[in-house]
Amino acid sequence: SYELTQPPSVSVSPGQTASITCSGDKLGDKYASWYQQKPGQSPVLVIFQDSKRPSGIPERFSGSNSGNTATLTISGTQAMDEADYYCQAWDSSTGVFGGGTKLTVL
Amino acid sequence: EVQLVQSGAEVKKPGESLRISCKGSGYSFTSYWISWVRQMPGKGLEWLGRIDPSDSHTNYSPSFQGHVTISADKSISTAYLQWSSLKASDTAMYYCARLNRGTWEILSWGQGTLVTVSS
Repeated sequence: SYELTQPPSVSVSPGQTASITCSGDKLGDKYASWYQQKPGQSPVLVIFQDSKRPSGIPERFSGSNSGNTATLTISGTQAMDEADYYCQAWDSSTGVFGGGTKLTVL
Repeated sequence: EVQLVQSGAEVKKPGESLRISCKGSGYSFTSYWISWVRQMPGKGLEWLGRIDPSDSHTNYSPSFQGHVTISADKSISTAYLQWSSLKASDTAMYYCARLNRGTWEILSWGQGTLVTVSS
């Protein structure tokens, strides 16, 4: 079955750039989405179709996807961005999530 | 306002059956597929399956095929996730989610239903 691999944790200082990777076989041939989940809340879509931002998502969130790796980049990271982030893609008709990355802003 | 409102928390015993629901409002229910996603305590998101409410066509994750059933009643804009025989390992938060038809990103999520299975 298809798998997506994320680093368990990423740390970043406020104002700096955070990058979270998601790896999967030929992931660049698929669309990747990214979801943010804060404690006790439902996830929220922050990036879809590799690099598009839904309305209401700050411009500091961006995405890319090429080869075997999709990347979520948060520029000028703020304390409010501390959360778990999940990548997601589709393998045929089956949805697959990465294991999640805990972003710590310290 | 687009909303997915899920049924309330459940406490069940192993071997019991259960059906939880997800009611859509503020949009055309048959225009968007619904997915169900599991999150075990302290763990990540897992995709269970999806349904097209317009014709009840379903796709399941191989990991969950045969253990859960996804259905929908378009007349009342409601999707369901059900188990015929619960296990303790089914204890989790379950989310329904609305998918964008064609590109399949999850546009919105329900508030989650906590299912606790304990003897």
